[in-house]
Amino acid sequence: DAEITQSPRHKITETGRQVTLACHQTWNHNNMFWYRQDLGHGLRLIHYSYGVQDTNKGEVSDGYSVSRSNTEDLPLTLESAASSQTSVYFCASSESRGRLQETQYFGPGTRLLVL
Amino acid sequence: AQSVTQLGSHVSVSEGALVLLRCNYSSSVPPYLFWYVQYPNQGLQLLLKYTSAATLVKGINGFEAEFKKSETSFHLTKPSAHMSDAAEYFCAVSDPGNNDMRFGAGTRLTVKP
Repeated sequence: DAEITQSPRHKITETGRQVTLACHQTWNHNNMFWYRQDLGHGLRLIHYSYGVQDTNKGEVSDGYSVSRSNTEDLPLTLESAASSQTSVYFCASSESRGRLQETQYFGPGTRLLVL
Repeated sequence: AQSVTQLGSHVSVSEGALVLLRCNYSSSVPPYLFWYVQYPNQGLQLLLKYTSAATLVKGINGFEAEFKKSETSFHLTKPSAHMSDAAEYFCAVSDPGNNDMRFGAGTRLTVKP
């Protein structure tokens, strides 16, 4: 069955370190998204991609970067981790390029703690 | 930019009672609207969505929502709550003119036996 996976599921790191969170989907979806979930804020969009070599900034992109070298993967990098980036991170994907009316399918999440 | 407000961060109902979760949105153009559900320690999954077809949208697990343009609302309802409905519910809006999606802060639904 097609799925979307995230790794690691839990991560503890120190401030200033570079961290990369992996997201892999096997649906062959064009669109991929990264969100962070914080109490009282719901989900906020960090970065998104509508296809290979395409990346775009979302609402809370500062301190994060992504790259899309193939259809299946959209890794999220925290260049220099900060305590404010302690959060739960969700990756999502949807089928057709740029069509925001489509259902997004979410991964199980990565819980990141920055000490 | 579009935005979503969910009224009530926590709603508690008795099993068998009506569930009503409120969502109001702002958007400069006719929006796409979504309700997602999140069970503990899981990702989100789609309950239902409005994409400019019928204003009354039926979703999974007996939930439905009605798009009311005049009230800029998209409230989620279920006639009879079940214990398995206990979860966090998120309303989301995407604006065809912008290339992102905005989520509300979420409403945690508790169902009492």
